Amino acid sequence: EDKVVQSPLSLVVHEGDTVTLNCSYEVTNFRSLLWYKQEKKAPTFLFMLTSSGIEKKSGRLSSILDKKELFSILNITATQTGDSAIYLCAVVNSGGGADGLTFGKGTHLIIQP
Amino acid sequence: NAGVTQTPKFRVLKTGQSMTLLCAQDMNHEYMYWYRQDPGMGLRLIHYSVGEGTTAKGEVPDGYNVSRLKKQNFLLGLESAAPSQTSVYFCASSGDRATREYFGPGTRLTVT
Repeated sequence: EDKVVQSPLSLVVHEGDTVTLNCSYEVTNFRSLLWYKQEKKAPTFLFMLTSSGIEKKSGRLSSILDKKELFSILNITATQTGDSAIYLCAVVNSGGGADGLTFGKGTHLIIQP
Repeated sequence: NAGVTQTPKFRVLKTGQSMTLLCAQDMNHEYMYWYRQDPGMGLRLIHYSVGEGTTAKGEVPDGYNVSRLKKQNFLLGLESAAPSQTSVYFCASSGDRATREYFGPGTRLTVT
């Protein structure tokens, strides 16, 4: 059974701080890892990572995957109150078992002004 | 493009009642999914479909049925609602299995 573990489960920081969110996984036949941001409603897509060691960046957010050690990190620099959300990590396997994403429980990030 | 839409947005049911949640997507995606999200549990896959006329079970399928009669629609049914089915339900679609999924706005269901 595929498994995704995120840490920490919750985090409170001050505006301007840098945060690192962690995602480790156990999945048969790994295909890709995705990060989503969830505010009040639906998760919105941030990154999809398939190759080890290649950083994806979008503004103040960046993410990298380590396929050897089976984890990914999501970095947010110069945090703003609008970054407050639940950050979800999910993996896709390449065959066998159910399709769809296997999600971690999420990291609830709160940015205080 | 509306993307993925869900109806209704909110619903309150009594134990034993039935209902159907409708998901529609206008992106011509082959894959569609139903997830439930409970506090502290993340999203869990209920059922999914890899194309019109196909359905398959996910991680937590018990108590739910689905149908995909048209490519753009994916229906989730509860035949006899139970309080344990109180949750937020998300529909999603994707063009391929390993690509990003697009999520609908969610349906908040309460079963009393």
